[in-house]
Amino acid sequence: ETGVTQSPTHLIKTRGQQVTLRCSSQSGHNTVSWYQQALGQGPQFIFQYYREEENGRGNFPPRFSGLQFPNYSSELNVNALELDDSALYLCASSWHGDTQYFGPGTRLTVL
Amino acid sequence: AQSVTQPDIHITVSEGASLELRCNYSYGATPYLFWYVQSPGQGLQLLLKYFSGDTLVQGIKGFEAEFKRSQSSFNLRKPSVHWSDAAEYFCGSAPHGSSNTGKLIFGQGTTLQVKP
Repeated sequence: ETGVTQSPTHLIKTRGQQVTLRCSSQSGHNTVSWYQQALGQGPQFIFQYYREEENGRGNFPPRFSGLQFPNYSSELNVNALELDDSALYLCASSWHGDTQYFGPGTRLTVL
Repeated sequence: AQSVTQPDIHITVSEGASLELRCNYSYGATPYLFWYVQSPGQGLQLLLKYFSGDTLVQGIKGFEAEFKRSQSSFNLRKPSVHWSDAAEYFCGSAPHGSSNTGKLIFGQGTTLQVKP
């Protein structure tokens, strides 16, 4: 059974650029959630995708958007990057209604 | 609004000593409750979860947690700490409902340091 994987591991961007982060769900999981973890903080819920539709969103602006594909993999897109977007971005997958399992994360640095 | 509080930012214990990490939640009804552990530069690993039923929950690596509704708490315990337990620990909650387990609210985390 393959766990949750994320790519890339690390990424450096400049302010104003756009970035796409990718996540492959654990085998058999149909729900994906994304979290932002700033340094020294707990993860903050960005949004969840279920059956390719957004199914709940945290307190994040519209420049944070996502996609879920038929194979349940997912992308997180962030437009107009700001310095405060520097963080570890975590993806988690689950079978709808059950416990979610986290990937190793993508470390994004915005300069 | 739903929130999770971990009152202790940093805890140091000696190897072999007992451990208790505190977690308080704020929510009208009983939420789903979780404890995760994060090693440096890594993602989160699930230690244990509480959905309903027995209020004492057993997890992996010898950890347990007790749900106390009257105190809105879900404290994590381990009888004897090992040096490998040094990590960041996060308590999380989600509203009851099958679609909500992926919408976790986390506390700020507690850093555990283990002295030899």
